[in-house]
Amino acid sequence: ETGVTQTPRHLVMGMTNKKSLKCEQHLGHNAMYWYKQSAKKPLELMFVYSLEERVENNSVPSRFSPECPNSSHLFLHLHTLQPEDSALYLCASSQVSGREQFFGPGTRLTVL
Amino acid sequence: AQTVTQSQPEMSVQEAETVTLSCTYDTSESDYYLFWYKQPPSRQMILVIRQEAYKQQNATENRFSVNFQKAAKSFSLKISDSQLGDAAMYFCGFNTDKLIFGTGTRLQVFP
Repeated sequence: ETGVTQTPRHLVMGMTNKKSLKCEQHLGHNAMYWYKQSAKKPLELMFVYSLEERVENNSVPSRFSPECPNSSHLFLHLHTLQPEDSALYLCASSQVSGREQFFGPGTRLTVL
Repeated sequence: AQTVTQSQPEMSVQEAETVTLSCTYDTSESDYYLFWYKQPPSRQMILVIRQEAYKQQNATENRFSVNFQKAAKSFSLKISDSQLGDAAMYFCGFNTDKLIFGTGTRLQVFP
């Protein structure tokens, strides 16, 4: 596979569930990002990993927990989410020194 | 504050015609990149075109071109010979140390 992939593409979960979103990049990049996309809002940057270390956390609630085991993989662990967390979650990657980000297809998350 | 403003929530164009999507931004940085991304209904954000702020020449990618006015902090996207497949949400953004996006413009293309 090429580019940035994300699984699952759709996820429905209850507020008490625990689930994880997965992102994988095949571009040889060394920085990865999680974004949240809600209707009629700009993309919100959630987390940035550069060279596998978290460099930014934009005041995201602790019910979202990222993990970056290596430069190709990024996870977003979810627990006790709220209905307002329903959104499209996008993963992106880039070179650390690069300005251009490449996005995955996203996971559509619905919290019941 | 670093912001991006896309003042046109929706635009429409006839197939084969030309359309221009507007974008203004605000930053105090002098070194940055500007981007237009396209997000079709399939949801994947695809890079359409990018412009380095230090370059005066406007970027062009096939039917897509930009009008970059640095002093005015304006970065509009022109789509020539519009095609049905151009229908999507278009997001303008710039990148200093992080990527800042606007709220998007939904482009409809009519046959």
